[in-house]
Amino acid sequence: AQTVTQSQPEMSVQEAETVTLSCTYDTSESDYYLFWYKQPPSRQMILVIRQEAYKQQNATENRFSVNFQKAAKSFSLKISDSQLGDAAMYFCAYKGSGAGSYQLTFGKGTKLSVIP
Amino acid sequence: EPEVTQTPSHQVTQMGQEVILRCVPISNHLYFYWYRQILGQKVEFLVSFYNNEISEKSEIFDDQFSVERPDGSNFTLKIRSTKLEDSAMYFCASTQTGGDTIYFGEGSWLTVV
Repeated sequence: AQTVTQSQPEMSVQEAETVTLSCTYDTSESDYYLFWYKQPPSRQMILVIRQEAYKQQNATENRFSVNFQKAAKSFSLKISDSQLGDAAMYFCAYKGSGAGSYQLTFGKGTKLSVIP
Repeated sequence: EPEVTQTPSHQVTQMGQEVILRCVPISNHLYFYWYRQILGQKVEFLVSFYNNEISEKSEIFDDQFSVERPDGSNFTLKIRSTKLEDSAMYFCASTQTGGDTIYFGEGSWLTVV
């Protein structure tokens, strides 16, 4: 079974600074998808960024980028120029690509605080 | 942008009562899901649904739970006899294909008293 580990229960960052959230995963599959979801106090799950394992290039979405290290099974999220609205829980998630691999496996989350 | 919509946003029910949570997935999506998040814990997979049948379910999804797509747009989760430990946020989600990004609704917060 796949597992996703987020080793940082809480992180904080000064507004306008950069922060990196860590995520490692365990899988025997060679092809899969990785995601970061943001959950603000409203508790909605918002997709931040997605990475396909077969792509070597790291995904980027505006101020959000990932450092995907397939051999190390690491998938960290970097938030640049942090804003107050970035304060939320961030969940790393794994999804297989094989037939029947429909579900997302989530990590326990990292609570990010942004200090004005 | 198309959204997954869920109703109700919050429901309080007495232990032992039946609850139905409703979802309207994104219109051209084919795979539907229910996830659960107990307060302070991680999001857990309950069930996936494709082509009018369950394609995968977790050990949490026992006989008390059922899912249905009663028409062309709604996707429901029924809990037959709620227990205190069923109190959680329930997320509906959908995706166009099996490999696509899963999009979540805003959640239905269920409180069992």
